[in-house]
Amino acid sequence: AQSVTQPDIHITVSEGASLELRCNYSYGATPYLFWYVQSPGQGLQLLLKYFSGDTLVQGIKGFEAEFKRSQSSFNLRKPSVHWSDAAEYFCAANDYKLSFGAGTTVTVRA
Amino acid sequence: KAGVTQTPRYLIKTRGQQVTLSCSPISGHRSVSWYQQTPGQGLQFLFEYFSETQRNKGNFPGRFSGRQFSNSRSEMNVSTLELGDSALYLCASSQGSGSGANVLTFGAGSRLTVL
Repeated sequence: AQSVTQPDIHITVSEGASLELRCNYSYGATPYLFWYVQSPGQGLQLLLKYFSGDTLVQGIKGFEAEFKRSQSSFNLRKPSVHWSDAAEYFCAANDYKLSFGAGTTVTVRA
Repeated sequence: KAGVTQTPRYLIKTRGQQVTLSCSPISGHRSVSWYQQTPGQGLQFLFEYFSETQRNKGNFPGRFSGRQFSNSRSEMNVSTLELGDSALYLCASSQGSGSGANVLTFGAGSRLTVL
């Protein structure tokens, strides 16, 4: 069955440290890939997307993601985390509908 | 440009009642998708409407229904509410259909509590 997996339920990082969130997908063909962020009580905001081409994509808020076909992965990174990055992050894949991973909650400690 | 607007933002119902949630998409967007978000099940796709036609449907019982109007606004209805229907219901709109390379823009959601 097609699925999106985020192996890490919760990650704690120190402010200023780097962040990497993992995402793996299982689809017959490479789907369109997305990362969304959700702050408490809010909807989902698109961080970045990958459709084709350059495997390193840049997004908003200083985030980037790298697509690796051989590993069926689409990991999200940020070089230096700010306290405002504390939120829940969702990886998603779209073939005929947008399907989400379970999400990773990021806590930022001072 | 106004974003996706969902109303009401919060509501409380009792078991057995029904509820209707509304979603106004971004101007010019013709597709509206609905998702249910719960702590246990995460984000689950309910259905998508494009140009007033239901294009895709998730694995939810028939108590969950929706429709789209000619102005692209959409409503979803849940009848005979159960405790397990308590969730954040998210609506998303896109210019093209909600599939493939089309980017979905989400509203802030409607928080439903069933007592």
